[in-house]
Amino acid sequence: NAGVTQTPKFRVLKTGQSMTLLCAQDMNHEYMYWYRQDPGMGLRLIHYSVGEGTTAKGEVPDGYNVSRLKKQNFLLGLESAAPSQTSVYFCASSLLAEGDENTQYFGPGTRLTVL
Amino acid sequence: AQSVTQPDIHITVSEGASLELRCNYSYGATPYLFWYVQSPGQGLQLLLKYFSGDTLVQGIKGFEAEFKRSQSSFNLRKPSVHWSDAAEYFCAVGAYNTDKLIFGTGTRLQVFP
Repeated sequence: NAGVTQTPKFRVLKTGQSMTLLCAQDMNHEYMYWYRQDPGMGLRLIHYSVGEGTTAKGEVPDGYNVSRLKKQNFLLGLESAAPSQTSVYFCASSLLAEGDENTQYFGPGTRLTVL
Repeated sequence: AQSVTQPDIHITVSEGASLELRCNYSYGATPYLFWYVQSPGQGLQLLLKYFSGDTLVQGIKGFEAEFKRSQSSFNLRKPSVHWSDAAEYFCAVGAYNTDKLIFGTGTRLQVFP
């Protein structure tokens, strides 16, 4: 099992450009999450999904969109990138089954710089 | 409001010394508690978790944590730190039938030889 994978690992954008970050998991998890990590602020939830075809807003959703067309994939989109979106982005997934409640498994991250 | 506090932003210890990282939470329901570790440039790895039962939980890499309900704490401990333990540590809290975790802001551990 590869677990949770993220593509790409690094990306540099110019202000106003768009891009999509891909998260894939092979653990058959129902729940998937997108976080951003900034120095001194820990992890902040952007959007999450409780199943295929469903998404919900997290703590800092503005400027981002997501889609969950397939159970194993969760896409994070930036339509018009801004310097404030420079961050490290992490994807996670969880099963929410008895004995594994809330346990989230993380991908390796995507480092995004917006110039 | 639900929250997780890690009071120590940065801790420095000598290799071989004991370690305790503090975590306090505020949560309305019976909490599920987690510790994750993040090595530089890496994702978060689960160290240990507490759902119920024995309040002293053993994890990977020789770490343990103790849930103290009366103090709303879930402190992480290791009796003898190794240089490879240098990383950032995150405490998180969730609950039964919730779909999100709340993370603390992390504690960066530096280990001197």
